Amino acid sequence: DQQVKQNSPSLSVQEGRISILNCDYTNSMFDYFLWYKKYPAEGPTFLISISSIKDKNEDGRFTVFLNKSAKHLSLHIVPSQPGDSAVYFCAATGGSNYKLTFGKGTLLTVNP
Amino acid sequence: EPEVTQTPSHQVTQMGQEVILRCVPISNHLYFYWYRQILGQKVEFLVSFYNNEISEKSEIFDDQFSVERPDGSNFTLKIRSTKLEDSAMYFCASSVQGIEQFFGPGTRLTVL
Repeated sequence: DQQVKQNSPSLSVQEGRISILNCDYTNSMFDYFLWYKKYPAEGPTFLISISSIKDKNEDGRFTVFLNKSAKHLSLHIVPSQPGDSAVYFCAATGGSNYKLTFGKGTLLTVNP
Repeated sequence: EPEVTQTPSHQVTQMGQEVILRCVPISNHLYFYWYRQILGQKVEFLVSFYNNEISEKSEIFDDQFSVERPDGSNFTLKIRSTKLEDSAMYFCASSVQGIEQFFGPGTRLTVL
């Protein structure tokens, strides 16, 4: 069941540069998308979300872009900081019960 | 800042034993969830709970699983007869409106 796909298992960027994390989905019923960050031995931490009626949402250094026609979303982190190093999960939901369907995650490493 | 808490952080049990995993959601939240992550795999939805009843459950959530909100603050997941394949990180989450879910730190369940 690959309704939410993160095709890059890892990404390495230099401190201060932009990190771009990508996510694709297949289920047209999804109408809300979220990004979570996870450190080892901790639970996922909510970062930012976007409704399907928008194409962009921004919160500080984090911006999420949604391309509904391509069923693709991306998370931009600018500027990247070493503390951003973590696994980033894309998640999606649709319908009244709001269960989240997660991607496999992308390990982001920000090098000083 | 309010947060979801979970106890214990690590539970070791013998196959066939019952376990209860406990969660204290954020106090004004109305939606409650359990997810799990088997090592190296995706975070998977188990069950959602709203208005004192299960609103949705996954195919993983069979008769061996149950949830309860016994006292208005705790939210528990019970596994009646654990199997080796139940070994995973179990995450509790809660939400005000259902969409943006806040996760606890998780309970690592090891079934021997």
